[in-house]
This record gives sequence, C-alpha cells and structure tokens, in this order.
Amino acid sequence: VTLKESGPVLVKPTETLTLTCNVSGFSLNNARMGVSWIRQPPGKALEWLAHIFSNDEKSYNTSLKTRLTVSEDPSKSQVVLTMTNMDPVDTATYFCARMQSRWLPLDSWGPGTLVTVSS
Amino acid sequence: DIQMTQSPSTLSASVGDRVTIACRASQSISSWLAWYQQKPGKAPKLLIFAASSLERGVPSRFSGGGSGTEFTLTISSLQPDDVATYYCQHYNSYSGTFGQGTKVEI
Repeated sequence: VTLKESGPVLVKPTETLTLTCNVSGFSLNNARMGVSWIRQPPGKALEWLAHIFSNDEKSYNTSLKTRLTVSEDPSKSQVVLTMTNMDPVDTATYFCARMQSRWLPLDSWGPGTLVTVSS
Repeated sequence: DIQMTQSPSTLSASVGDRVTIACRASQSISSWLAWYQQKPGKAPKLLIFAASSLERGVPSRFSGGGSGTEFTLTISSLQPDDVATYYCQHYNSYSGTFGQGTKVEI
C-alpha cells in the first residue's frame, strides 16, 4: 500500500489549492476503504481535514467545511482535495492516509507535501 | 465537536523508564481512539487502535488503555528509538480529531 501527495509548493493568498493523492496497493472502488486528508503547520499539531469513502460519502472538519471539497476518481486511483481562499495560516504539510474501514484509523500514510502560502 | 486533550505536552525520561501519556475526550468516545508516533520530517505511524489493540509490527512495549473519556499510552521501557511526538486521535465514520501531541525526550 502506498499513497503519495502532489500539488503546488507555493500558492498565493486568496488562491485555491488543489492537491492530489495517488494511491496503490488498494482499490478506491472498495467502498470499505477511505482516504483522509490531514495537515500539519510547521512545528504544530496534526489537524484532520476530511475523508471520503465514495463520492456520495464524505465528511469535513466543521471549522473548514465551507472551504474544502474532496472527491475521488477510482479509475485513476486518485483522491483530490481542494481548499479555497488560501491564507498564510494554511501553510502546512498536507498528508493523505488510508482508512481500511469506517471504524478503523489511519493505517497507511503518504510522505506529505509542504504547501507555503505567500505573496 | 469532540475535543481531544493530551498531557503532558512534553515529557523527559531516561532509557528504561516506564512512560505514560494521557488523552482526554470532551465527551464519551467509547473505544474509538488511536495513538500515533511521529518522528521529525516523517509521516505519523499507527501504534494502537480501538484504544488498546496493538497494530501489527509495533513493539510490545507499547500499550494502550482506557475507554469513554480517559485514555493512556504507556511505553513500558523507554528506548532511544522512541524519541518522537505522540498523538491521540478520535476516529469514526465522520470525523478524526487529533490531540495536540506529546513530545517524548530522553
């Protein structure tokens, strides 16, 4: 099982961030499997952002819900996270991770990708 | 929303010591709790799920306990490789709140 995040290293304030998580070793067509997004500002704690089990079953961090959208393309083995209206406080390493079921935690993680928000 | 609070924020101990980290939920979460270990520059690693079940391949010196609102992670004999930050997480089908982390030093 592997997951790998990709996307821009630098975004400007007010722009929209789009990150892609490429997965292998498991199928996004398996409705039991989910993918979560988590971020970590430099030197700070982990923050759960969202997870998706299918394009009909998604959940979001309530404090960021209005800015986040998560979707998946099983044919490409990809999960995409978009975050609108980026601000310097959103500078963080963004991780994607797998859940083997709705009632299991994050057992496999990507290495993370650092996104800096600056003009 | 359920809040997760860890204590202490930093812990300094000696090799061979028994170390315990606490995690408190703002309301009952049954046993829907996981513990992760994170080393600098790396992704977190799952140690414990369902409050007390050891993830495959994790050394047996790690153990988890508790239910409801009070949980613990114990390292029975601290090793140099255990220097890391440890996070608890409440997980379920619609959320995944983390604690603020506990840094373990030797």
